Amino acid sequence: AQSVSQHNHHVILSEAASLELGCNYSYGGTVNLFWYVQYPGQHLQLLLKYFSGDPLVKGIKGFEAEFIKSKFSFNLRKPSVQWSDTAEYFCAVNANSGNTPLVFGKGTRLSVIA
Amino acid sequence: GAGVSQSPSNKVTEKGKDVELRCDPISGHTALYWYRQRLGQGLEFLIYFQGNSAPDKSGLPSDRFSAERTGESVSTLTIQRTQQEDSAVYLCASSFSFLAPGLFFGSGTQLSVL
Repeated sequence: AQSVSQHNHHVILSEAASLELGCNYSYGGTVNLFWYVQYPGQHLQLLLKYFSGDPLVKGIKGFEAEFIKSKFSFNLRKPSVQWSDTAEYFCAVNANSGNTPLVFGKGTRLSVIA
Repeated sequence: GAGVSQSPSNKVTEKGKDVELRCDPISGHTALYWYRQRLGQGLEFLIYFQGNSAPDKSGLPSDRFSAERTGESVSTLTIQRTQQEDSAVYLCASSFSFLAPGLFFGSGTQLSVL
């Protein structure tokens, strides 16, 4: 069975600091990878996704994630965070074949302080 | 509709009562998913529908939980004889098809069992 680990429970950064949120998954086959974001008081929305091709994926609002197959990782990055990036970030994975639903990590809460 | 709609947004119930949660997916989306998010936890997969059928019910925590979907639209998640550990946010998501990229989430139903 697939599983997703997000090791950082809560990250606190100052504005303009660089961000990297870790995501590791366990599954031996081909996977689809996602990052979702939940801003305060809003519902979950897709930030970026990886299916195949270039392992460096660009998402909305300046976010990017890099798929490193050898490390089973899909870390989320942003060079310079803003206060408006304060949110909860969820990594998710599903197998690229068969009927498997998305499996989510426990999430990482990002607090950006001015 | 414009997005995934869930009702009620909040539900407070007494232990032992039955509750019914409703999800209206985006029109035309054949795949529908239910997740649960307990406080401080990640999203826990419960069940998904492809059309009206539910190929994977493995995530349902107990036989007190059931879900149905009619007409490839509305889905209801029923929890019988609620327990305090059922308290959580219940999230519904839909996608164009099961293998379509990304899910569109509703705002969730906050269930509190007293």
